[in-house]
Amino acid sequence: QKEVEQDPGPLSVPEGAIVSLNCTYSNSAFQYFMWYRQYSRKGPELLMYTYSSGNKEDGRFTAQVDKSSKYISLFIRDSQPSDSATYLCAISGQGGSEKLVFGKGTKLTVNP
Amino acid sequence: EAQVTQNPRYLITVTGKKLTVTCSQNMNHEYMSWYRQDPGLGLRQIYYSMNVEVTDKGDVPEGYKVSRKEKRNFPLILESPSPNQTSLYFCASSPRWREQFFGPGTRLTVL
Repeated sequence: QKEVEQDPGPLSVPEGAIVSLNCTYSNSAFQYFMWYRQYSRKGPELLMYTYSSGNKEDGRFTAQVDKSSKYISLFIRDSQPSDSATYLCAISGQGGSEKLVFGKGTKLTVNP
Repeated sequence: EAQVTQNPRYLITVTGKKLTVTCSQNMNHEYMSWYRQDPGLGLRQIYYSMNVEVTDKGDVPEGYKVSRKEKRNFPLILESPSPNQTSLYFCASSPRWREQFFGPGTRLTVL
């Protein structure tokens, strides 16, 4: 079983839609959960960062972690064409030297 | 401006011709790493460094070398490139192991 699974999509939605992006993971020791956004021909950029379970909101973006189900989500409200990008989840353990494990990314297109 | 820079951004080379991709960060980060990104395979870590003179293998280190002689620089060396190393390469740095800041990428083609 892979450490992190992410549906690659592609996902295409109309402008204004609510978008839900998801990852599942296998190791219950993971404690840190991140979402990166990668525009075409650019490096990934950190979008959201959460520790342990719960929700975190930043503007139109909400990150949700359910450790009991080993499931993380990113919700985008009122999606905009500028949100069109590939979204990668990334997960890490608690140790100071533990590396990030990335999902393969979901490509999102928001159509005007 | 806080940033990670990589050079070159695009490179076409031939099998066996040694090359170096440079990476530099101006954020005084301890951690630096190299990834390659391939369609269907996602981001895979090649090498990482937790501090000056401290480097270790990631998931796909074969065919690559790195060095960390200064905190800000972390070059990736391909001693004898092969076509299967054609990929998009990213350097990243971070203050802790988790929140990594990525460079703009280097697209390498090995003929």
